[in-house]
Amino acid sequence: SQELEQSPQSLIVQEGKNLTINCTSSKTLYGLYWYKQKYGEGLIFLMMLQKGGEEKSHEKITAKLDEKKQQSSLHITASQPSHAGIYLCGADWTSSYGKLTFGQGTILTVHP
Amino acid sequence: EAQVTQNPRYLITVTGKKLTVTCSQNMNHEYMSWYRQDPGLGLRQIYYSMNVEVTDKGDVPEGYKVSRKEKRNFPLILESPSPNQTSLYFCASSIRDRLTPNSPLHFGNGTRLTVT
Repeated sequence: SQELEQSPQSLIVQEGKNLTINCTSSKTLYGLYWYKQKYGEGLIFLMMLQKGGEEKSHEKITAKLDEKKQQSSLHITASQPSHAGIYLCGADWTSSYGKLTFGQGTILTVHP
Repeated sequence: EAQVTQNPRYLITVTGKKLTVTCSQNMNHEYMSWYRQDPGLGLRQIYYSMNVEVTDKGDVPEGYKVSRKEKRNFPLILESPSPNQTSLYFCASSIRDRLTPNSPLHFGNGTRLTVT
């Protein structure tokens, strides 16, 4: 089983619809990172969350970290075709900064 | 422009032929790391380096070597590539250090390796 589980694995939505991607950790998080990747390309950093209950927004994308710091959600409002891609969450489980573990990713398709 | 540069972008090779994928960053970051990405498995960390001459294993280090002789470069070496190392490889760097341990990674554009 994955220590960092993303759900759903894939998501197909109609343009204009809202959607949520979840990232669940088996351990308490010191840092949680959201990235977006266009197919076959590099990862673009979206947001970082550290504090329980923290919420950050960038344009139409909002990310939250729950109070227990074991789950994060990424919410896209009024989705557009430009939002399509792979969304990955990454986790720091300690203050030791060597390893950063990623989830398996969520493939988002937005139909015009 | 601040960036992480990987070369080559695409590489096709045969089993057993040694190869090196280069990675360079111009942000003066102490921390660098290599990942591989495979369908259904996400990104898995191969090796990371917290500073010059300091390297450590990630989750899937078998079959790979790295070196960190200078701050800006972190090459990934496959001494004897095998087909199961066919993958998309990413290099990353970060300002992560003891004072700011939880900082995001900046990724290169990836190297798609095929081993036949």
